[in-house]
Order: sequence, then C-alpha cells, then structure tokens
Amino acid sequence: GDSVTQMEGPVTLSEEAFLTINCTYTATGYPSLFWYVQYPGEGLQLLLKATKADDKGSNKGFEATYRKETTSFHLEKGSVQVSDSAVYFCALSDHWSSASKIIFGSGTRLSIRP
Amino acid sequence: GAVVSQHPSRVICKSGTSVKIECRSLDFQATTMFWYRQFPKQSLMLMATSNEGSKATYEQGVEKDKFLINHASLTLSTLTVTSAHPEDSSFYICSGVRDRDETQYFGPGTRLLVL
Repeated sequence: GDSVTQMEGPVTLSEEAFLTINCTYTATGYPSLFWYVQYPGEGLQLLLKATKADDKGSNKGFEATYRKETTSFHLEKGSVQVSDSAVYFCALSDHWSSASKIIFGSGTRLSIRP
Repeated sequence: GAVVSQHPSRVICKSGTSVKIECRSLDFQATTMFWYRQFPKQSLMLMATSNEGSKATYEQGVEKDKFLINHASLTLSTLTVTSAHPEDSSFYICSGVRDRDETQYFGPGTRLLVL
C-alpha cells in the first residue's frame, strides 16, 4: 500500500541555519503531497502542499517540490527561526485536497537553538 | 481559521472501563471527521472515517466494537474506547473536513493512559 518515509529526528539547528527534512513516498497512483506542522500543545496544521509532479508548495519561507522521478517531497527553509521548533509530518493523499484519507510519515522533531 | 477541539486533553482510567473522547469543530460544520491514533515516535494511523448521520467506516484491523464512533451532529463526533486495556494507551487525534475548502483541520489530541 501507499506509504511515506521521512528522516528520523530529532533535528537540532542553530538559528538562521539551512533546513532540509527528507521525505520519500510510495504510491500506486498520483497522490497529492503535504507537509504538516505540529507546534507544542496544538493540532496539526497544513504547512504546504503540492498536487502534481514538479509543483512547488511554499509557505512561511518553507518550500517543497513534488519530484515524481525520485518520489520525493523534501522540506527546505533557507534560514530557520526559533519559532520554527515543532514536529513536521510529511503526508500523502489520493485526493487533490486533504478531504480524504491521509497517510502520514512518522514525524521529525525540529529544535532551533537561539 | 478553522478550529477543532478535543476533550479531554488527557485521561487516565482503569483497565476494563470505557472512555469517551469528544471532537468538536468550533467554527465550521464538518460532514466528515476522521479519527487517528499515534504511538510514540510513529505515524498517525487512520482508525476510522466518520460521516454525520451514518455509520463510521473503519480501517482494516480496527475493531469497531472496541472503538465506537458517533457523529450525531455536524460539529461533534465522539470516540468511545470500550473496556479499555493498557494496550489501548495512545494519543488519539481527530480532524474535521471543512466543506468550503475541502481541508482537514486537526484537533490537539487526547492522551489516553490505561492502568
């Protein structure tokens, strides 16, 4: 079945460092891909998404590009801030939106040092 | 924004008792709600899809008589863990789909500990 694999954490970086969190997926069709973020004590929030190959999702300085040839959707940010400390989940769905079943990766905890 | 709440946020119960978890969409109507379960350092696993006014659809391997789901209104779904056992201890997360943008909005989760 469909699945998502993302790099294990925790990841600890200094403020203003470059961030990459790797994510690869396995799917039989043409899924939509998502990154969700969970701040302490809050629910998961959609960070960005891409619905077809070569699409780039972006939000709050984060970017991820849907790479069909490598089945990847790596999350990047050029300069992280302390406020980016959270758990990040890569996910996929067979629907263009997130209205249907979502398959999540295991999550990567990110900690940013001042 | 769209807000989903869960109650309680944390619950401890004795083995053999039943526990009810509420999931509410506070500022939108959710025809569809989802229930997930998350083990430590693992993915969120979908347990069931709940549609208002109809029976929930359970994922393979999830016991429907163990995890009772009720979605009686467009803003409330409940998950009841019946005759809970220590292996049911987990983090339970719900989400609601806002029709306007077909997006799932997640609650903050409920941590269940069964002694």
